[in-house]
Amino acid sequence: QKEVEQDPGPLSVPEGAIVSLNCTYSNSAFQYFMWYRQYSRKGPELLMYTYSSGNKEDGRFTAQVDKSSKYISLFIRDSQPSDSATYLCALGRNQFYFGTGTSLTVIP
Amino acid sequence: DTAVSQTPKYLVTQMGNDKSIKCEQNLGHDTMYWYKQDSKKFLKIMFSYNNKELIINETVPNRFSPKSPDKAHLNLHINSLELGDSAVYFCASSQVRDYEQYFGPGTRLTVT
Repeated sequence: QKEVEQDPGPLSVPEGAIVSLNCTYSNSAFQYFMWYRQYSRKGPELLMYTYSSGNKEDGRFTAQVDKSSKYISLFIRDSQPSDSATYLCALGRNQFYFGTGTSLTVIP
Repeated sequence: DTAVSQTPKYLVTQMGNDKSIKCEQNLGHDTMYWYKQDSKKFLKIMFSYNNKELIINETVPNRFSPKSPDKAHLNLHINSLELGDSAVYFCASSQVRDYEQYFGPGTRLTVT
């Protein structure tokens, strides 16, 4: 079983839609949860991070962690074409494990 | 100023050759990493260095050797390149081990 599972998509939504991206994990010891955004032919950039269960909001982005279900989510409100990218979750404690990424396209 | 930079951006070479990829960070971070991203976008850690000490070494062939001349640099040397080494290699750095990693732009390696 992989440490982190992430649906690769692709996901295509109209501009203005709410996007939900998810990852599941198997190791209950994981305590750091991050989301990275990667544009085509660019390096991943840190979008959000959290250390505990619950929600964390930053502008149009909300990261949600449910440790009891070993499930994390990233919500994007009022999605924009500029949000079109691959989104990777990263989880861990002493070492980080990345999901395979979900490819998102926001159609104008 | 670029926080994490890598050179070269593209590298095309033949099987059996030896090549190096350079990485520099100007963030003052203590830990640097090398990742390999395959064609399916899967990002896998290869090495990390903290204060010149190797602290993670995944099941990577010993043809790959990281070299860190100082805290701001972590180079990746690859001997006897194989077709399966074709991928994008990312350098990253963080202030604290495994926390808030900042990635470079990547080096796209193609082995023919």
